[in-house]
Amino acid sequence: NAGVMQNPRHLVRRRGQEARLRCSPMKGHSHVYWYRQLPEEGLKFMVYLQKENIIDESGMPKERFSAEFPKEGPSILRIQQVVRGDSAAYFCASSPQNSGTGAYNEQFFGPGTRLTVL
Amino acid sequence: LAKTTQPISMDSYEGQEVNITCSHNNIATNDYITWYQQFPSQGPRFIIQGYKTKVTNEVASLFIPADRKSSTLSLPRVSLSDTAVYYCLVVGREAKLIFGTGTRLQVFP
Repeated sequence: NAGVMQNPRHLVRRRGQEARLRCSPMKGHSHVYWYRQLPEEGLKFMVYLQKENIIDESGMPKERFSAEFPKEGPSILRIQQVVRGDSAAYFCASSPQNSGTGAYNEQFFGPGTRLTVL
Repeated sequence: LAKTTQPISMDSYEGQEVNITCSHNNIATNDYITWYQQFPSQGPRFIIQGYKTKVTNEVASLFIPADRKSSTLSLPRVSLSDTAVYYCLVVGREAKLIFGTGTRLQVFP
């Protein structure tokens, strides 16, 4: 059973360009989460999606950032008109379900995409 | 979500037991205590989760006192490959994980 896949692993963009980050969850997982990590910091939650639905986007910047998880295909995190401050590692995680009872479903993380904005 | 406090860094030598303590004074009744490990240039990896008392798996033990306001991750006989950042998280009904800055463990030969 393959783990969470992310591509590309490294992405270089110039200011003003668009960045598209892809995440394929583990087989059987219907919940996807995106996190951003700046150097020497912990991960910061961005968005939580289920198939075709955004459940929680409280960590997403209001502008330029969007995410989707279509019925078919990977989840996409899209950053428009990138700026130098967007340079970071972006991690995707997946889980089979969220029980909603307080019992925690482990999140499985991918290797990340390291975005560098020149 | 409860805020956690843990040491910024710790040093150890191979073969020693390492205990990392985490404070979570505002933990709620439904919250679980969860620890993740992150190696450089990799995504975090789940280590262990507990609600109260003691939990043990093949990697670590987690000790949680009765008041649940703190917890201790215990790594027995660490090796160089245990050098990593360890995050203590309190997880409740919300799906998202709130990471602090973690504890950077350095294991020396």
